[in-house]
Amino acid sequence: AQSVTQLGSHVSVSEGALVLLRCNYSSSVPPYLFWYVQYPNQGLQLLLKYTSAATLVKGINGFEAEFKKSETSFHLTKPSAHMSDAAEYFCAVTEGRGGGNKLTFGTGTQLKVEL
Amino acid sequence: DAGVIQSPRHEVTEMGQEVTLRCKPISGHNSLFWYRQTMMRGLELLIYFNNNVPIDDSGMPEDRFSAKMPNASFSTLKIQPSEPRDSAVYFCASRPSGSYEQYFGPGTRLTVT
Repeated sequence: AQSVTQLGSHVSVSEGALVLLRCNYSSSVPPYLFWYVQYPNQGLQLLLKYTSAATLVKGINGFEAEFKKSETSFHLTKPSAHMSDAAEYFCAVTEGRGGGNKLTFGTGTQLKVEL
Repeated sequence: DAGVIQSPRHEVTEMGQEVTLRCKPISGHNSLFWYRQTMMRGLELLIYFNNNVPIDDSGMPEDRFSAKMPNASFSTLKIQPSEPRDSAVYFCASRPSGSYEQYFGPGTRLTVT
């Protein structure tokens, strides 16, 4: 069965500092992985996705994530945090057809950006 | 492009009343998903459809919940009778054929008093 674990339900960084949000996955087959962002009172928006091509994936708003099979990780990073990055971030995994085409979401990480 | 459209955005109702949530997926998408989000349980998949056919409803919490997709451009999630513990944000998402990423609507915030 597929699953994701997001370490740290709350992360706080200073504006301009590195953002690192952690995600580890479990999958019985090569997974497809996603990061979504949710701003207050809004739906989830796709940030980036890994679908077995390049292991370093670039997304919107300057975010990127690296797929590391040996570590079963897909951590999200951004070199310099901006106040507008404050939101909740969700990692998700699917095993594709083997997983019934469903996405399994992590519990989310709330990112706070301080001046 | 219009994204996933959900209505109403907010719903306040009394316990025991019927509640119907509506979703219009992105045109051309052939899969539709209903989720529920709460502080305690996070984001839960309730049911999903492929080509208007329900594929997996194992996440539907009780028989009080039902979902339909009469055509490719419309789906409903009904709760009858509603209970206070059904209070949550309900999201609809759609997905195009051949892809795995889902596109979410803005959600319906349901409050059952």
